[in-house]
Amino acid sequence: AQSVTQPDIHITVSEGASLELRCNYSYGATPYLFWYVQSPGQGLQLLLKYFSGDTLVQGIKGFEAEFKRSQSSFNLRKPSVHWSDAAEYFCAVGPTTFTGGGNKLTFGTGTQLKVEL
Amino acid sequence: DVKVTQSSRYLVKRTGEKVFLECVQDMDHENMFWYRQDPGLGLRLIYFSYDVKMKEKGDIPEGYSVSREKKERFSLILESASTNQTSMYLCASSLWAGNEQFFGPGTRLTVL
Repeated sequence: AQSVTQPDIHITVSEGASLELRCNYSYGATPYLFWYVQSPGQGLQLLLKYFSGDTLVQGIKGFEAEFKRSQSSFNLRKPSVHWSDAAEYFCAVGPTTFTGGGNKLTFGTGTQLKVEL
Repeated sequence: DVKVTQSSRYLVKRTGEKVFLECVQDMDHENMFWYRQDPGLGLRLIYFSYDVKMKEKGDIPEGYSVSREKKERFSLILESASTNQTSMYLCASSLWAGNEQFFGPGTRLTVL
């Protein structure tokens, strides 16, 4: 069974500082990987996704993530955080083969980002 | 752009009431999902549907049922609402296996 671990429940950074949110996954092969962001009271918005190819993927809002197969990780980074980045971030893993019951993403429990001005 | 809409942003119901949460997507997606979101627990899958009239249980189906009579619409039903079903409910849809899911804005349900 696939699983996702986001080891940091809360992270606080100063505006303008760099950011790295950690995500580790467990899956039998190379999965599809996603990062979502959720602003307070809103649904989830896709930041970026990895399917194959280049292991460094660029997303919206200046975010990027790097897939490291050897570490089973897909960490999210941003070089300079803005106050508007304060939100909850979710990593998700999806199957690469059709399992006969639709695709199911498995989500981590989320990392709450606070940005200090 | 894909749009997923949910019938209510906020809902207050009483214990024992039957509750319907509606979700509609406008991009002809095959797959639709219902999650509940609670602090510290992340997103937990309640049910999903991969075709009209087809459904499968997720991780926490107890106390819930679903209906998908049309491709664009997926309903979550709480047969007899209980206080422990107070939560944020999120609907999502996706086109094919492994693809990203598109989320609605959520319904915050309070059961008194």
